[in-house]
Amino acid sequence: GDSVTQMEGPVTLSEEAFLTINCTYTATGYPSLFWYVQYPGEGLQLLLKATKADDKGSNKGFEATYRKETTSFHLEKGSVQVSDSAVYFCALGGAQKLVFGQGTRLTINP
Amino acid sequence: KAGVTQTPRYLIKTRGQQVTLSCSPISGHRSVSWYQQTPGQGLQFLFEYFSETQRNKGNFPGRFSGRQFSNSRSEMNVSTLELGDSALYLCASSPIGGSQETQYFGPGTRLLVL
Repeated sequence: GDSVTQMEGPVTLSEEAFLTINCTYTATGYPSLFWYVQYPGEGLQLLLKATKADDKGSNKGFEATYRKETTSFHLEKGSVQVSDSAVYFCALGGAQKLVFGQGTRLTINP
Repeated sequence: KAGVTQTPRYLIKTRGQQVTLSCSPISGHRSVSWYQQTPGQGLQFLFEYFSETQRNKGNFPGRFSGRQFSNSRSEMNVSTLELGDSALYLCASSPIGGSQETQYFGPGTRLLVL
């Protein structure tokens, strides 16, 4: 079945550092890919998405490119801020449902 | 537009009891999905409803059930609660549940089973 594998956490960085969170997937067909973010005590918010190969999703300085050849959708940000501290989930869109990776907890120190 | 709302936000129950959680989707959204979030298993899909019909179901025991009303509001029920049912239950809505659609999540109901 469909599955998503995310980089193991937690990840701790200093403010203004470069961020990469790896995400790879296994799926039949060509799913849509998503990054969601969860702040403490809240539900999930969409960060960005891509619906077909070579699409780049971007939002709030975060980017991810849908790579069909490597079945990957890595999340990147050039300069992180303390406010980016949260848990990040990679997900693929299946039949009426999302399949999530295990989540990566990110902590940014000032 | 108002976002997805879930009630109650927090709930404490004891083993063997049953519980009902409620979800109101974004206005105009007809697809409602439910997910269970635990530290050990992460985010797992429970079921999805569209126009009062369950279209998809995850790998959970029959103690977990749901329904959707004609106004798209949804409820999920867990009977005979077990300690392992302690989790954050998240509801999400989208226009028709298409695989390319963004699902919009509510804040969740945190259930503690003692």
